[in-house]
Amino acid sequence: QKEVEQNSGPLSVPEGAIASLNCTYSDRGSQSFFWYRQYSGKSPELIMSIYSNGDKEDGRFTAQLNKASQYVSLLIRDSQPSDSATYLCAVNYDYKLSFGAGTTVTVRA
Amino acid sequence: EAGVTQFPSHSVIEKGQTVTLRCDPISGHDNLYWYRRVMGKEIKFLLHFVKESKQDESGMPNNRFLAERTGGTYSTLKVQPAELEDSGVYFCATGPQGDTQYFGPGTRLTVL
Repeated sequence: QKEVEQNSGPLSVPEGAIASLNCTYSDRGSQSFFWYRQYSGKSPELIMSIYSNGDKEDGRFTAQLNKASQYVSLLIRDSQPSDSATYLCAVNYDYKLSFGAGTTVTVRA
Repeated sequence: EAGVTQFPSHSVIEKGQTVTLRCDPISGHDNLYWYRRVMGKEIKFLLHFVKESKQDESGMPNNRFLAERTGGTYSTLKVQPAELEDSGVYFCATGPQGDTQYFGPGTRLTVL
């Protein structure tokens, strides 16, 4: 059983729309949760972190965490072509990040 | 502020050879991690240093892999002897106190 599961992609959204990315995790002891963005051939870039239940907003990004449901999500509002990338969900337990396989998002102009 | 740097960016070696990967952390980051992504798989944790001490090496696949962090600055990851299944992208990540991790560009290793 995979530790971190992400909704399968690719996800294609029109420019200006909301992209919704989902992630579930298996370890209830997980302590913190991260979203990374990775452009092709580049390093994962940290875009959001969330530690407690609820929503956290940063610009056009909103992360949502529900520990009871072991669920993390990322919303990208007003999607831009520059948001086209692979988004990785990462779950931390004891400083070790477990990653999902990633969801590739394509924003259509 | 300079980010995490890794060297080389690409390495192609023959099976049985030795390769050493290097990671230079963001200045002041005591935590240093190595991860690996093999083709078609998720990024997987290898090990974690705090300064020069190994905190957790539970992800190291076998004793052909040796990581060091002399003086608590840069780190090296040596694979000796390399096998075909070691091919992949090796990422280094560093972080200040806490669990935030910033990734380097990775080293793409190909073992032929």
